[in-house]
Order: sequence, then C-alpha cells, then structure tokens
Amino acid sequence: GAVVSQHPSRVICKSGTSVKIECRSLDFQATTMFWYRQFPKQSLMLMATSNEGSKATYEQGVEKDKFLINHASLTLSTLTVTSAHPEDSSFYICSAGRQGALDSPLHFGNGTRLTVT
Amino acid sequence: QKEVEQNSGPLSVPEGAIASLNCTYSDRGSQSFFWYRQYSGKSPELIMFIYSNGDKEDGRFTAQLNKASQYVSLLIRDSQPSDSATYLCALPESEVTFGTGTKLQVIP
Repeated sequence: GAVVSQHPSRVICKSGTSVKIECRSLDFQATTMFWYRQFPKQSLMLMATSNEGSKATYEQGVEKDKFLINHASLTLSTLTVTSAHPEDSSFYICSAGRQGALDSPLHFGNGTRLTVT
Repeated sequence: QKEVEQNSGPLSVPEGAIASLNCTYSDRGSQSFFWYRQYSGKSPELIMFIYSNGDKEDGRFTAQLNKASQYVSLLIRDSQPSDSATYLCALPESEVTFGTGTKLQVIP
C-alpha cells in the first residue's frame, strides 16, 4: 500500500488565490521530504527539500516566498502556492524516504495536479 | 553536485524484445541506485534498487551496476506495451538526484 499520501490529487483555483498541498508519510518518520514539479512532457524537477523543524532548502530559481513549505512534524510537510498564477499550473509531487540506509528508496505521493485559471 | 545522465529517448522496441536502459553517474563514491518508472500523468514508482556490482534480477527486470565504469542499466525482458513509460534512475543521497528519464515505447 501507499506509504506516502498526498492530498489533494487535483485542484483548480483562480488566479491570485493560494493553494495548500499536504504530504504525509504513513508508516515511517521522515525528517526530510522533497517537493517536485513537473510540467507536461518535461523532467521531474526538484523544487525544495523540506526539513522537519527547520527552514526548507530551495533549489535555484524557486521563489521561497511563493512556494511556502512547512514541515512541522515528522510525518507531514505542506507546500503552499501563494498568489497562484496560470504559469504555476503543473503537477506537484512530494516524496519521502526512511533515513539511515543506503537501500532506502524514496516513496512518492500520487501527485497533485494544479490548474490555475 | 552529483549528476546522473540518461538518454531521453524515446527508445522504441517491439513487443517481446529486450529493452535496455542506461544511466551514467559522475560521483565515483555513489553506492546505490534506484530505478523508477513513471507513467504519463502519474508519479514515479520504485521498480528496483541495486547497490552492489553485478546484476540483480526481479522478474522480467534486471538491474546491472558497474562501479568501475560508472554506469547502471535496466534490462526489461519480454517487453510489453504496458512497460511503455519513462524510466528514471536515481541516486538516493540526501539531494536526491534524478536522471532526466528515458521514455520507452513498446510497439505491439
């Protein structure tokens, strides 16, 4: 069964509004979670690394004030797209992995398809 | 920064053939690798991991790791149309690094 739950799976919002996406690790504690964005027919792009209890680390070119990440507990990270615009429409995916083992894979949420109208 | 490179494809193979997907990496110290499959419009799903030299087999899938040459491969035997997807290789270190993925098309 799924070990990472992402919600919602699909959201449509109006330009200028904010959208929150949740990512939960279901049966393990994740001190680190990752947020990705994928535009149609393009590669998975890492946006930021979410660290429990501290600030997220953003990849170059990703606006931290626009994409707010909160990792308040070991099982939950949220990504809030603030003042969304049509160009933010994309497929957002989170992932998490168990820590401390070289053979510990990342598990992905099912993704959130965001459409900004 | 650790890098992973893949040929973006598309790689087209006829149904029943062997599909060979390759990935090279830059960091000689990398210890293990994962292969993910991503269907269009879906998130990636783990299909195999490998962390020792040689081959690892799981059903129709075989992962091959050659640390001396710094490449990792995924072979899919008896390819099926349902195998058509993008295959991503990844390093599992903290800054998870994905290749761009190779799009595989299995032609019926």
